[in-house]
Amino acid sequence: DIQMTQSPSTLSASVGDRVTITCRASQSITSWLAWYQQKPGKAPKVLIYKASSLESGVPSRFSGSGSGTEFTLTISSLQPDDFATYYCQQYNSYSWTFGQGTKVESK
Amino acid sequence: EVQLLESGGGLVQPGGSLRLSCAASGFTFSSYAMEWVRQAPGKGLEWVSSISGNGAITYYADFVKGRFTISRDNSKNTLSLQMNSLRAEDTAVYFCAKTAISWYFDVWGRGTLVTVSS
Repeated sequence: DIQMTQSPSTLSASVGDRVTITCRASQSITSWLAWYQQKPGKAPKVLIYKASSLESGVPSRFSGSGSGTEFTLTISSLQPDDFATYYCQQYNSYSWTFGQGTKVESK
Repeated sequence: EVQLLESGGGLVQPGGSLRLSCAASGFTFSSYAMEWVRQAPGKGLEWVSSISGNGAITYYADFVKGRFTISRDNSKNTLSLQMNSLRAEDTAVYFCAKTAISWYFDVWGRGTLVTVSS
């Protein structure tokens, strides 16, 4: 199975900060990567698919980049609603796998 | 509006069985693959199983192979997960999710909690 490793596990930031989360795959997944946001007690919500495509309705402050084995999710200016946990997920080959998550908390 | 609504969760003893359901609405159910994803308390997301739109192709995570069975009834717009030989480590919120054409998960249900305990 392809292993997905996110860093950092926790990130402390303030409103207005630029935030970057990294996701590394144990082997190439070309661009078959999605990013999800999850708030406590809620279902995940997709933000980015195919590494850099913004899902409809998602604010443009979210962006994704990368290919192969290294990917990043960037929030250009952190907003109060963005404090949450973020997961990457590869869908290049079964079994689909998620990163362990990055919690973005208030500094 | 596209919606997924899970049901069937509850408390079950180790070794027991439970059947989860996911009612879909707002889209052509038979045209899309569907997924089950779980989340143990305080832990991350874990993919469990996938099924193709016509139900002919299924995939399972190694940790449920031989114990769980995914199925769908396209006439009733319903996805199911039959869970047998349940273990304490299967305790989690189980989400159903719709697979987009590009294979990521674009719609999620709210989840249903399964607790395996004596």
